[in-house]
Amino acid sequence: AQSVAQPEDQVNVAEGNPLTVKCTYSVSGNPYLFWYVQYPNRGLQFLLKYITGDNLVKGSYGFEAEFNKSQTSFHLKKPSALVSDSALYFCAVRDIVTSGTYKYIFGTGTRLKVLA
Amino acid sequence: EAQVTQNPRYLITVTGKKLTVTCSQNMNHEYMSWYRQDPGLGLRQIYYSMNVEVTDKGDVPEGYKVSRKEKRNFPLILESPSPNQTSLYFCASSSYTSGGFLNTGELFFGEGSRLTVL
Repeated sequence: AQSVAQPEDQVNVAEGNPLTVKCTYSVSGNPYLFWYVQYPNRGLQFLLKYITGDNLVKGSYGFEAEFNKSQTSFHLKKPSALVSDSALYFCAVRDIVTSGTYKYIFGTGTRLKVLA
Repeated sequence: EAQVTQNPRYLITVTGKKLTVTCSQNMNHEYMSWYRQDPGLGLRQIYYSMNVEVTDKGDVPEGYKVSRKEKRNFPLILESPSPNQTSLYFCASSSYTSGGFLNTGELFFGEGSRLTVL
């Protein structure tokens, strides 16, 4: 079965330092991978996606993610963290159910705390 | 403005009292879905719809119903709510190109509906 794992419930990082939020996946076939961010009392917002092509994907707010097929990982990164990046981050994979349908599977989320 | 609108945003109800959470999108998206968010469990899909009159169960469909009579609307119905359905619910939509899976597929989410069942 398709699955997504976010091994860290929380990541703390000092402002200005690089950050990494980890995600590993298990899919059959080519993965369609996504990162979303959720700020308090808000819905999820799309950050970036990997469909095909370059393994390094750039997204919103200076975030990027690296797709690694051999390690089945899709880690979210940012070179220099901001306090305003503090939020809940979700990794997701699109799962083909049948030839005509698909659904999304989300990880359990990682809370990022950027300390001033 | 492109958006997914959910109502109500907050609701406290009692066990067994039927309720409907509405979801509407103005982006002409084919795909719509409902999720519930619970601490430590992330987002779990309840139901999804590939298009009008096409709905399928997600991972946690028990106790819920949906309908997709119009492209823009995808209401979530709790026929007889129970306390274990107390949760934060999200509706989301996305587009796909005709013919299937060339869709780039990012989801657009509503702001959420916090439901408490006493």
